[in-house]
Amino acid sequence: AQKITQTQPGMFVQEKEAVTLDCTYDTSDPSYGLFWYKQPSSGEMIFLIYQGSYDQQNATEGRYSLNFQKARKSANLVISASQLGDSAMYFCAMREGGTNAGKSTFGDGTTLTVKP
Amino acid sequence: DAGVTQSPTHLIKTRGQQVTLRCSPKSGHDTVSWYQQALGQGPQFIFQYYEEEERQRGNFPDRFSGHQFPNYSSELNVNALLLGDSALYLCASSSPSRDRGHGYTFGSGTRLTVV
Repeated sequence: AQKITQTQPGMFVQEKEAVTLDCTYDTSDPSYGLFWYKQPSSGEMIFLIYQGSYDQQNATEGRYSLNFQKARKSANLVISASQLGDSAMYFCAMREGGTNAGKSTFGDGTTLTVKP
Repeated sequence: DAGVTQSPTHLIKTRGQQVTLRCSPKSGHDTVSWYQQALGQGPQFIFQYYEEEERQRGNFPDRFSGHQFPNYSSELNVNALLLGDSALYLCASSSPSRDRGHGYTFGSGTRLTVV
């Protein structure tokens, strides 16, 4: 069964510094996708970044990058130059299979607080 | 370009009652997934609808049912409400025909409180 583990319930970072949010996963499917979402206090989940299991390079999207270590089954999110607006809950998720269909399994999230 | 629209935003129901939540997917999306998010936890998959059929279902009892209409909008119905059904219900839309690197587009959710 697929599983996502986020071991950091809460993280603090100083404004303008970088922060890494940890995520490990477990699956027996060789084809899968890994996602990170941001959930502000308003409740709406916002898609940030995607990494496919066969992608050779780590994904990047603006200030977000994904540190993908396949052998260790980890997919850590790195946020560079943190901003106050980055304060939110962050969820790692995985979808098995090679299509854009099917369910995603989410971790329990990490609350990030950016200090001024 | 409208995103995912959910209604109502908040709802209070009594134990044993029935509730219907509604979702309109993002324009161009044809697949709707429903998630339940308890306070302080990650979203849990309820089911997914595509072409008006339930394609995949999570570990939820039959009290949870759904429907997808020809215009791709969807409803989530919960019968015989329990206190434990209190949660944020999220609707997420996607399109299988698109590149698989796209994540879901989520609505803002419906906050259901069962008293």
